[in-house]
Amino acid sequence: GQSLEQPSEVTAVEGAIVQINCTYQTSGFYGLSWYQQHDGGAPTFLSYNGLDGLEETGRFSSFLSRSDSYGYLLLQELQMKDSASYFCAVRDLAGTALIFGKGTTLSVSS
Amino acid sequence: EAGVTQSPTHLIKTRGQQATLRCSPISGHTSVYWYQQALGLGLQFLLWYDEGEERNRGNFPPRFSGRQFPNYSSELNVNALELEDSALYLCASTPVADTEAFFGQGTRLTVV
Repeated sequence: GQSLEQPSEVTAVEGAIVQINCTYQTSGFYGLSWYQQHDGGAPTFLSYNGLDGLEETGRFSSFLSRSDSYGYLLLQELQMKDSASYFCAVRDLAGTALIFGKGTTLSVSS
Repeated sequence: EAGVTQSPTHLIKTRGQQATLRCSPISGHTSVYWYQQALGLGLQFLLWYDEGEERNRGNFPPRFSGRQFPNYSSELNVNALELEDSALYLCASTPVADTEAFFGQGTRLTVV
């Protein structure tokens, strides 16, 4: 089976940088994804790491270390609109279900 | 291109009744996932359908079931509704073996 651990809450101020960590346990591994969900909205895809290293997309970056079963989402130049829940997700080698962590609620204040 | 659509947006049922939720994936997507999101909780995996077959199910009782039709749309059925089934039910679709899941806006099910 799979399990993912991420912090439940993170707070930060506008303009700051925040890192949301995700550790996982899977019987196999296909890749680590990150999704954003605003209150009352649908989750939307942010990034995917299939290989070790850093993937950068604008203000957001995501990192994966397969040897450490660990990844993180880095959000830079935080804006109020970044206040949302962030979920990491894994799909194992057999391509079975996409499993999500419990989510991290990010609150950005001015 | 139309996104993932779910219907109805809201559903109110009485305990013991049955609920049917529907999902239309993005054109060309053959995989459909169902998730339950109870208030303040994460996305709990319910069911995965691909090419018309159930590929995997999460840790939910058998009264949660569904199917996928030849056009890849999907239905989630919840029998013998309980109060704790009240939640947002999200459907997502992906192309085969792709890395990105596209979510619908969900169906808010309230059991009274």
